Amino acid sequence: SSELTQDPDVSVALGQTVRITCQGDSLSTKYASWYQQKPGQAPVLVIYGKNNRPSGIPDRFSGSSSGNTGSLTITGAQAEDEADYYCNSRDTSGNHHAFGTGTKVTV
Amino acid sequence: EVQLVESGGGLVQPGGSLRLSCAASGFNFNEFWMSWVRQAPGKGLELVASMMQDGTEKYYVDSVRGRFTISRDNAKNSLYLQMNSLRAEDTAVYYCARGPLGVVVITTAYWYYDFWGRGTLVAVSS
Repeated sequence: SSELTQDPDVSVALGQTVRITCQGDSLSTKYASWYQQKPGQAPVLVIYGKNNRPSGIPDRFSGSSSGNTGSLTITGAQAEDEADYYCNSRDTSGNHHAFGTGTKVTV
Repeated sequence: EVQLVESGGGLVQPGGSLRLSCAASGFNFNEFWMSWVRQAPGKGLELVASMMQDGTEKYYVDSVRGRFTISRDNAKNSLYLQMNSLRAEDTAVYYCARGPLGVVVITTAYWYYDFWGRGTLVAVSS
Protein backbone atom coordinates (compact mmCIF):
# COMPACT_ATOMS: atom_id res chain seq x y z
CA SER A 1 0.00 0.00 0.00
CA SER A 2 1.11 3.57 -0.74
CA GLU A 3 2.65 5.64 2.03
CA LEU A 4 1.60 8.81 0.21
CA THR A 5 -2.05 9.78 0.51
CA GLN A 6 -3.93 12.10 -1.85
CA ASP A 7 -7.54 13.23 -2.05
CA PRO A 8 -9.24 11.13 -4.76
CA ASP A 9 -11.14 13.91 -6.50
CA VAL A 10 -10.87 17.68 -6.72
CA SER A 11 -12.90 20.12 -8.80
CA VAL A 12 -11.96 23.62 -9.89
CA ALA A 13 -13.72 26.25 -11.96
CA LEU A 14 -12.03 27.41 -15.13
CA GLY A 15 -9.48 30.12 -14.29
CA GLN A 16 -9.56 29.49 -10.57
CA THR A 17 -6.87 28.06 -8.30
CA VAL A 18 -6.68 24.50 -7.01
CA ARG A 19 -4.26 22.88 -4.59
CA ILE A 20 -3.61 19.15 -4.62
CA THR A 21 -2.05 17.69 -1.50
CA CYS A 22 0.08 14.65 -0.77
CA GLN A 23 0.51 13.46 2.81
CA GLY A 24 3.21 11.15 4.08
CA ASP A 25 5.73 10.90 6.91
CA SER A 26 8.63 10.94 4.46
CA LEU A 27 7.62 14.36 3.17
CA SER A 28 8.73 16.00 6.40
CA THR A 29 12.31 15.61 5.15
CA LYS A 30 11.89 15.08 1.40
CA TYR A 31 10.21 16.96 -1.41
CA ALA A 32 7.66 15.25 -3.61
CA SER A 33 7.71 15.19 -7.37
CA TRP A 34 4.43 15.56 -9.26
CA TYR A 35 3.14 13.93 -12.43
CA GLN A 36 0.20 14.74 -14.67
CA GLN A 37 -1.51 11.91 -16.53
CA LYS A 38 -4.25 12.39 -19.08
CA PRO A 39 -6.45 9.46 -20.20
CA GLY A 40 -4.59 7.02 -22.40
CA GLN A 41 -1.31 8.87 -22.05
CA ALA A 42 1.93 8.39 -20.15
CA PRO A 43 2.61 10.43 -17.02
CA VAL A 44 4.40 13.75 -17.45
CA LEU A 45 6.64 15.32 -14.81
CA VAL A 46 5.30 18.77 -13.84
CA ILE A 47 7.09 19.65 -10.58
CA TYR A 48 10.20 18.33 -8.83
CA GLY A 49 12.22 19.44 -5.84
CA LYS A 50 11.23 22.51 -3.87
CA ASN A 51 9.47 24.12 -6.84
CA ASN A 52 11.13 23.24 -10.15
CA ARG A 53 9.30 22.97 -13.47
CA PRO A 54 10.68 21.00 -16.41
CA SER A 55 10.97 22.80 -19.71
CA GLY A 56 7.58 23.25 -21.33
CA ILE A 57 5.51 23.10 -18.15
CA PRO A 58 3.44 26.29 -17.73
CA ASP A 59 4.25 28.54 -14.78
CA ARG A 60 0.69 28.17 -13.47
CA PHE A 61 1.97 24.92 -11.92
CA SER A 62 3.86 25.34 -8.65
CA GLY A 63 4.95 23.20 -5.73
CA SER A 64 5.26 23.76 -2.01
CA SER A 65 5.77 21.83 1.20
CA SER A 66 4.75 22.15 4.83
CA GLY A 67 5.30 19.57 7.53
CA ASN A 68 4.48 16.14 6.16
CA THR A 69 2.42 17.50 3.28
CA GLY A 70 3.52 18.35 -0.23
CA SER A 71 1.28 20.42 -2.48
CA LEU A 72 0.83 21.07 -6.17
CA THR A 73 -1.00 24.30 -7.00
CA ILE A 74 -2.54 25.19 -10.34
CA THR A 75 -3.13 28.94 -10.49
CA GLY A 76 -5.65 29.83 -13.17
CA ALA A 77 -6.66 26.28 -14.11
CA GLN A 78 -7.24 25.61 -17.79
CA ALA A 79 -9.41 22.99 -19.42
CA GLU A 80 -6.30 21.11 -20.53
CA ASP A 81 -5.25 20.71 -16.89
CA GLU A 82 -8.03 18.19 -16.34
CA ALA A 83 -6.13 15.01 -15.55
CA ASP A 84 -4.96 12.65 -12.84
CA TYR A 85 -2.10 13.88 -10.71
CA TYR A 86 0.32 11.71 -8.74
CA CYS A 87 2.97 12.59 -6.21
CA ASN A 88 6.12 10.54 -5.63
CA SER A 89 8.86 10.41 -3.06
CA ARG A 90 11.13 8.05 -1.23
CA ASP A 91 9.63 6.38 1.83
CA THR A 92 10.84 6.86 5.38
CA SER A 93 13.18 3.86 5.18
CA GLY A 94 14.84 5.39 2.16
CA ASN A 95 14.65 2.12 0.28
CA HIS A 96 11.47 2.50 -1.68
CA HIS A 97 10.05 5.09 -4.04
CA ALA A 98 6.29 5.31 -3.67
CA PHE A 99 3.66 6.99 -5.77
CA GLY A 100 0.70 8.64 -4.15
CA THR A 101 -2.81 7.33 -4.50
CA GLY A 102 -3.62 9.91 -7.19
CA THR A 103 -6.02 12.86 -7.51
CA LYS A 104 -8.45 13.33 -10.36
CA VAL A 105 -8.77 17.03 -11.14
CA THR A 106 -11.92 18.15 -12.93
CA VAL A 107 -11.99 21.59 -14.50
CA GLU B 1 15.14 14.60 -28.00
CA VAL B 2 14.82 11.98 -25.28
CA GLN B 3 12.77 8.99 -26.39
CA LEU B 4 11.81 5.80 -24.58
CA VAL B 5 10.00 3.13 -26.58
CA GLU B 6 8.64 0.02 -24.90
CA SER B 7 7.89 -3.26 -26.62
CA GLY B 8 7.20 -6.87 -25.78
CA GLY B 9 3.80 -6.67 -24.15
CA GLY B 10 0.92 -8.95 -25.00
CA LEU B 11 -1.52 -11.56 -23.76
CA VAL B 12 -0.06 -14.37 -21.69
CA GLN B 13 -1.55 -17.13 -19.60
CA PRO B 14 -1.11 -17.25 -15.82
CA GLY B 15 2.24 -18.78 -14.99
CA GLY B 16 3.72 -17.68 -18.30
CA SER B 17 6.61 -15.37 -19.09
CA LEU B 18 7.22 -12.20 -21.06
CA ARG B 19 10.24 -10.02 -21.68
CA LEU B 20 9.72 -6.30 -22.01
CA SER B 21 12.22 -4.05 -23.74
CA CYS B 22 12.75 -0.30 -23.65
CA ALA B 23 14.80 1.34 -26.37
CA ALA B 24 16.30 4.63 -25.25
CA SER B 25 17.65 7.45 -27.40
CA GLY B 26 18.54 11.12 -27.19
CA PHE B 27 20.65 10.91 -24.02
CA ASN B 28 23.62 9.11 -22.50
CA PHE B 29 21.81 6.00 -21.34
CA ASN B 30 24.69 4.77 -19.21
CA GLU B 31 24.51 7.88 -17.00
CA PHE B 32 21.03 7.31 -15.61
CA TRP B 33 19.08 5.04 -13.31
CA MET B 34 16.21 3.49 -15.23
CA SER B 35 12.90 2.12 -14.00
CA TRP B 36 9.77 0.20 -14.89
CA VAL B 37 6.48 1.61 -13.57
CA ARG B 38 3.14 -0.10 -14.09
CA GLN B 39 -0.48 0.91 -13.99
CA ALA B 40 -3.24 -1.65 -13.64
CA PRO B 41 -6.52 -0.84 -15.41
CA GLY B 42 -8.23 2.02 -13.61
CA LYS B 43 -5.59 2.10 -10.90
CA GLY B 44 -2.63 4.26 -9.90
CA LEU B 45 1.07 4.14 -10.65
CA GLU B 46 3.33 1.54 -9.07
CA LEU B 47 7.11 1.41 -9.26
CA VAL B 48 8.01 -2.15 -10.25
CA ALA B 49 11.79 -2.16 -10.55
CA SER B 50 14.74 0.20 -10.88
CA MET B 51 18.34 -0.29 -11.87
CA MET B 52 21.49 1.73 -11.31
CA GLN B 53 23.65 2.91 -14.18
CA ASP B 54 26.13 0.04 -14.02
CA GLY B 55 23.64 -2.53 -12.80
CA THR B 56 25.23 -2.96 -9.38
CA GLU B 57 22.13 -1.77 -7.53
CA LYS B 58 18.58 -2.89 -8.20
CA TYR B 59 15.23 -2.35 -6.54
CA TYR B 60 12.05 -4.46 -6.80
CA VAL B 61 8.63 -3.94 -5.31
CA ASP B 62 7.81 -6.79 -2.94
CA SER B 63 5.05 -8.21 -5.13
CA VAL B 64 7.40 -9.01 -8.02
CA ARG B 65 10.64 -9.83 -6.22
CA GLY B 66 11.79 -13.31 -7.21
CA ARG B 67 9.57 -13.37 -10.32
CA PHE B 68 10.75 -10.31 -12.28
CA THR B 69 14.30 -9.40 -13.26
CA ILE B 70 15.38 -5.98 -14.44
CA SER B 71 18.46 -5.71 -16.63
CA ARG B 72 20.10 -3.33 -19.05
CA ASP B 73 22.52 -3.32 -21.95
CA ASN B 74 24.28 0.04 -22.00
CA ALA B 75 25.93 -0.77 -25.33
CA LYS B 76 22.47 -1.13 -26.89
CA ASN B 77 20.83 1.69 -24.90
CA SER B 78 18.20 -0.76 -23.75
CA LEU B 79 16.38 -1.65 -20.57
CA TYR B 80 14.64 -4.97 -20.02
CA LEU B 81 12.15 -6.58 -17.68
CA GLN B 82 11.98 -10.36 -17.63
CA MET B 83 8.66 -11.36 -16.12
CA ASN B 84 8.14 -14.96 -15.01
CA SER B 85 5.34 -16.73 -13.16
CA LEU B 86 2.92 -14.07 -14.27
CA ARG B 87 -0.31 -13.58 -12.36
CA ALA B 88 -3.60 -11.91 -13.20
CA GLU B 89 -2.68 -9.06 -10.89
CA ASP B 90 0.34 -8.28 -13.06
CA THR B 91 -2.02 -7.10 -15.80
CA ALA B 92 -1.11 -3.49 -16.45
CA VAL B 93 0.44 -0.98 -18.78
CA TYR B 94 4.17 -1.06 -18.16
CA TYR B 95 6.06 2.20 -18.59
CA CYS B 96 9.79 2.67 -18.97
CA ALA B 97 10.96 5.79 -17.14
CA ARG B 98 14.27 7.60 -16.82
CA GLY B 99 15.15 7.85 -13.16
CA PRO B 100 14.96 8.15 -10.33
CA LEU B 101 17.16 11.19 -10.59
CA GLY B 102 18.06 12.34 -7.11
CA VAL B 103 19.32 15.40 -5.32
CA VAL B 104 20.42 15.05 -1.72
CA VAL B 105 22.12 17.99 0.02
CA ILE B 106 22.08 19.18 3.60
CA THR B 107 18.47 20.28 3.88
CA THR B 108 17.05 19.10 0.58
CA ALA B 109 16.26 15.67 -0.79
CA TYR B 110 14.14 14.77 -3.76
CA TRP B 111 13.89 12.28 -6.58
CA TYR B 112 12.01 12.29 -9.85
CA TYR B 113 11.40 10.50 -13.15
CA ASP B 114 11.77 13.01 -15.94
CA PHE B 115 10.94 11.09 -19.12
CA TRP B 116 8.50 8.27 -19.74
CA GLY B 117 7.71 5.98 -22.62
CA ARG B 118 4.18 5.46 -23.92
CA GLY B 119 3.91 2.07 -22.29
CA THR B 120 3.22 -1.50 -23.34
CA LEU B 121 0.19 -3.50 -22.21
CA VAL B 122 0.64 -6.82 -20.46
CA ALA B 123 -2.52 -8.86 -20.02
CA VAL B 124 -2.40 -12.04 -17.96
CA SER B 125 -5.45 -14.18 -18.54
CA SER B 126 -6.46 -17.70 -19.43
